[in-house]
Amino acid sequence: GQQVMQIPQYQHVQEGEDFTTYCNSSTTLSNIQWYKQRPGGHPVFLIQLVKSGEVKKQKRLTFQFGEAKKNSSLHITATQTTDVGTYFCAGSLVAAAGNKLTFGGGTRVLVKP
Amino acid sequence: DGGITQSPKYLFRKEGQNVTLSCEQNLNHDAMYWYRQDPGQGLRLIYYSQIVNDFQKGDIAEGYSVSREKKESFPLTVTSAQKNPTAFYLCASSSGSRVSTEAFFGQGTRLTVV
Repeated sequence: GQQVMQIPQYQHVQEGEDFTTYCNSSTTLSNIQWYKQRPGGHPVFLIQLVKSGEVKKQKRLTFQFGEAKKNSSLHITATQTTDVGTYFCAGSLVAAAGNKLTFGGGTRVLVKP
Repeated sequence: DGGITQSPKYLFRKEGQNVTLSCEQNLNHDAMYWYRQDPGQGLRLIYYSQIVNDFQKGDIAEGYSVSREKKESFPLTVTSAQKNPTAFYLCASSSGSRVSTEAFFGQGTRLTVV
């Protein structure tokens, strides 16, 4: 079945530094979404990428969708303590049975002040 | 106030009992999903539904059952056949059917089986 994998599993970042988390799918995706889950909370939608090679920015966050639509990345610049949480990518694969949204294992981000 | 509501927030059950988790949405979304999250882990798909009266198994459907009799409601039953039911259960909905759109999550239900 479809698998979505994320690396690294944990990311310890000094406040002010940059980091990148990566997402890889075993199958070609229709689109990819990114979510953020704060400790004790539920996932909240950040962005969706649809086109091959697409790049989108949200303030200090840059999202990229690979040319083959099988991988994606999230890059955060100048990390702040408010960036703490788990970042999930979710791959969407449209099939005969409908739209299945499969999440990666997440990258847990801890920020050192 | 639109959104997706899960109840209860915390649930305790004895081993061997079936338990049903509620999920209601008033967003007029076609698609609904159930995920399981274990401590420090990602979200694993249990069941999903694209339309009323239809649903599909996810990656870990064994020991669970669902129904989709109404567009607004997608209850999940954790049966006694589920070997390790203690977990955080998240329900989500999205408007798309063939085209994926943003998923909105409920606050989750923390189920503890003793």
